[in-house]
Amino acid sequence: AQSVSQHNHHVILSEAASLELGCNYSYGGTVNLFWYVQYPGQHLQLLLKYFSGDPLVKGIKGFEAEFIKSKFSFNLRKPSVQWSDTAEYFCAVKGSSNTGKLIFGQGTTLQVKP
Amino acid sequence: EAGVTQSPTHLIKTRGQQATLRCSPISGHTSVYWYQQALGLGLQFLLWYDEGEERNRGNFPPRFSGRQFPNYSSELNVNALELEDSALYLCASSLYTSGSGGEQYFGPGTRLTVT
Repeated sequence: AQSVSQHNHHVILSEAASLELGCNYSYGGTVNLFWYVQYPGQHLQLLLKYFSGDPLVKGIKGFEAEFIKSKFSFNLRKPSVQWSDTAEYFCAVKGSSNTGKLIFGQGTTLQVKP
Repeated sequence: EAGVTQSPTHLIKTRGQQATLRCSPISGHTSVYWYQQALGLGLQFLLWYDEGEERNRGNFPPRFSGRQFPNYSSELNVNALELEDSALYLCASSLYTSGSGGEQYFGPGTRLTVT
């Protein structure tokens, strides 16, 4: 069965620290990969996406993610976090068959201390 | 450009009743998706509509149904409500693309509480 695993459920960092959130997926074919963010009191927003090409993708607000096909991973990174990055982060996968379905990880809550 | 909108924001129903949730997609988007975000279960895919047709449904019982109107807005109906249906219901929209492309944009959700 297709699945997405986010290893860190709750991460606490100080401002200016570097961030890496892990995401691994289980799917036996071509995938599209996404990271979504949900800031407190706001709705889910697309942070970045990978469809094809350069496996290092850049998103909004200084975030980037690297697709490593051999490891079935799509980890999210940011060199220096800010207090405003406090949010819940979701990794999601869509398979190549046209089901329309996004499979989400359980989410990682990031708390950035000022 | 207006994003995905959903109504109502909150809905309180009694067990056994029916609930109707509404969604308006981003202008130009023809696909609408419904997801359930229940406590402890994460985001689960419910339904996908495009051009008025149901294209796919997730692992939910038939009492979860919906439709898409000619203006591409959509309605999710949940019949015979059960306590475990209490959740945040999210609607998303995208441009329809063949294959696997087409990122989904989410609305703010409807919080359904079943008592």
